[in-house]
Amino acid sequence: NAGVTQTPKFRILKIGQSMTLQCTQDMNHNYMYWYRQDPGMGLKLIYYSVGAGITDKGEVPNGYNVSRSTTEDFPLRLELAAPSQTSVYFCASSLSGETWYFGPGTRLTVT
Amino acid sequence: ELKVEQNPLFLSMQEGKNYTIYCNYSTTSDRLYWYRQDPGKSLESLFVLLSNGAVKQEGRLMASLDTKARLSTLHITAAVHDLSATYFCAAVTGTASKLTFGTGTRLQVTL
Repeated sequence: NAGVTQTPKFRILKIGQSMTLQCTQDMNHNYMYWYRQDPGMGLKLIYYSVGAGITDKGEVPNGYNVSRSTTEDFPLRLELAAPSQTSVYFCASSLSGETWYFGPGTRLTVT
Repeated sequence: ELKVEQNPLFLSMQEGKNYTIYCNYSTTSDRLYWYRQDPGKSLESLFVLLSNGAVKQEGRLMASLDTKARLSTLHITAAVHDLSATYFCAAVTGTASKLTFGTGTRLQVTL
């Protein structure tokens, strides 16, 4: 199993550009999550999903959108990127909410 | 809303010394997690604590949980340089088992 994979690893965006962060898991997990981690801080929940077709907002959803059309994929869309979205983004998955598996992260800079 | 607080935020300790990191959470939580993060890396799972009085140990690290006090501790025994990292606690809330993270404790072990 590859576990949780994220692409890209790094990205630099200009203000106002859009992009999609990809997240895929091959463990057939129902639960998937997107977190962001600002420098020197803990992780904050952006969006989560409990299964295909079901998504919900977390603590900091503004400026982001998600979709979950399959069990494996949970892409995070940034529309109109802003400097405040400069962060490291982690995707995570869990089968039933007991053990989490985190991806390697995507480091995003918006200038 | 679940809030998780850790202290201290930064800890510099000498090799061979003992110390404890504290994690308080604000509302009832099913489970308490400890993670380690090295610079530029993802999160590595250390412990999951499932019930009141739970104690787990791995090497020089020992974690405990007091659900009545809403307190978890991570005790470091005879610190070594390899333990230098940032340690996060996280508590679970809600039917989707969302993880709420503390701000982290940056541990620096000096020779």
